[in-house]
Amino acid sequence: QSVLTQPPSVSGAPGQRVTISCTGSSSNIGAGYDVHWYQQLPGTAPKLLIYGSINRPSGVPDRFSGSKSGTSASLAITGLQAEDEADYYCQSYDSSLSGCVFGGGSKLTVL
Amino acid sequence: EVQLVQSGAEVKKPGESLKISCEGSGYSFTTDWLAWVRQMPGKGLEWMGIIYPGDSDTRYSPSFQGQVTISADKSIRTAYLQWSSLKSSDTGIYYCARAYDMLTGLWHWGQGTRLTVSS
Repeated sequence: QSVLTQPPSVSGAPGQRVTISCTGSSSNIGAGYDVHWYQQLPGTAPKLLIYGSINRPSGVPDRFSGSKSGTSASLAITGLQAEDEADYYCQSYDSSLSGCVFGGGSKLTVL
Repeated sequence: EVQLVQSGAEVKKPGESLKISCEGSGYSFTTDWLAWVRQMPGKGLEWMGIIYPGDSDTRYSPSFQGQVTISADKSIRTAYLQWSSLKSSDTGIYYCARAYDMLTGLWHWGQGTRLTVSS
C-alpha cells in the first residue's frame, strides 16, 4: 500500500487528453510539499517529467503539465502520442516518515 | 553532462553479502544528494534512502532501515548500497538518482543495477 495513491491504469486515444491523479494526506502533499512526476518507458530508468508540482525540466514537451490542490496532485498529458505509453509515478516528501515516498504508479495505454 | 554510472548485474545466493556502486560525474558530487530506489519485478518504485556525500549524512526509509547500508566515498565520487545477508525478496532493479535536496525531486538517474537472489 503506497502512501501516495494513483490509479493503476489510464488510457486514451491519440490526440486526446488524459489526467493521472495522485492522492496523499496531511503529512505529505497536504502539508505543502511539492509533488514530482516521473515517466518510465518500458525497460528504462525513470525520467523526471514535472518538478515542484508544476514545472517542466528543459526538454520535456509542454504537452505535459502538473497541478496540485489540497492533498492531491495531477499530471495532465494533452495531444496523446503513442510514445507516451509508459508508467508514470508521483513522488513527494512525507514529514511523518521523514523521507520521500512514491505513488504506486499508473500505466498509460495509448489506444 | 551529468552521468550516474552503476555497477553491473549481480546474481547472488541467499545469505551472501553484496555492495553495488553508483559513480557520479558532471556535477558537484559533494553538494548534492544521492538517493537509492528499488523496483521489484513488475512493481513500482520504492524510495530506500538518501546520502549527502559531502558529510555522509544518510537518511533511510523506515521500510529499509536496518536492511541495507548506504555509504559514499567522495574521493572517487561513488555511492554504495550494501547488504550483509541477501534474501530472495531483495531481487529487483536498484537505481541511484541525484537530488538537490529531499524536497526537489530526483533529477538524474543511473541505468539501474539488476540483482537476482536465488538459491
